[in-house]
Amino acid sequence: LAKTTQPISMDSYEGQEVNITCSHNNIATNDYITWYQQFPSQGPRFIIQGYKTKVTNEVASLFIPADRKSSTLSLPRVSLSDTAVYYCLYNQGGKLIFGQGTELSVKP
Amino acid sequence: EAQVTQNPRYLITVTGKKLTVTCSQNMNHEYMSWYRQDPGLGLRQIYYSMNVEVTDKGDVPEGYKVSRKEKRNFPLILESPSPNQTSLYFCASTPSVTSLGTDTQYFGPGTRLTVL
Repeated sequence: LAKTTQPISMDSYEGQEVNITCSHNNIATNDYITWYQQFPSQGPRFIIQGYKTKVTNEVASLFIPADRKSSTLSLPRVSLSDTAVYYCLYNQGGKLIFGQGTELSVKP
Repeated sequence: EAQVTQNPRYLITVTGKKLTVTCSQNMNHEYMSWYRQDPGLGLRQIYYSMNVEVTDKGDVPEGYKVSRKEKRNFPLILESPSPNQTSLYFCASTPSVTSLGTDTQYFGPGTRLTVL
């Protein structure tokens, strides 16, 4: 079963914009792309979801090109508290297919 | 207090001994789901349920069973546990399948299972 592919880890500094790209070459027509954030010893929490083009909320932006084979999560001006694992996943109408996650480390 | 509870929190068992991990939510949520989390593999969905008596396989359902006889409870059953089911398990709920796209799921505290 096709899953999403994303970098294993990324480093950044406080105040920078961070972009995490996810590849999903086999995305189906009805699949949505969702991003979750997880801190150690906690359950993950929803960040944002999109189908195509751009979606923005108070936390992040999500860019999905027309072919929908990739997506980019953009976190503006990260802080130390944004250090976490970020998951890109398919939402297939309730069935969630997670990628391996990207461990983001934000340094002072 | 709105919450998802799981029991037990920690369990060490032996291969082949049937076990059940309970999950209960007090928010009248329709959608519930089970996940396992393993180092290097991330989070994977085992089963989900969109409402009472409606359950569907997630990404990794092999070796697990679930039931949804009441809205609040969604137990995970391992009929014959094996060492490769050693993992951290999370139960979660959200108001409906639609809210998966707008709101976070409420996660339980996790159950750390070791199968010897």
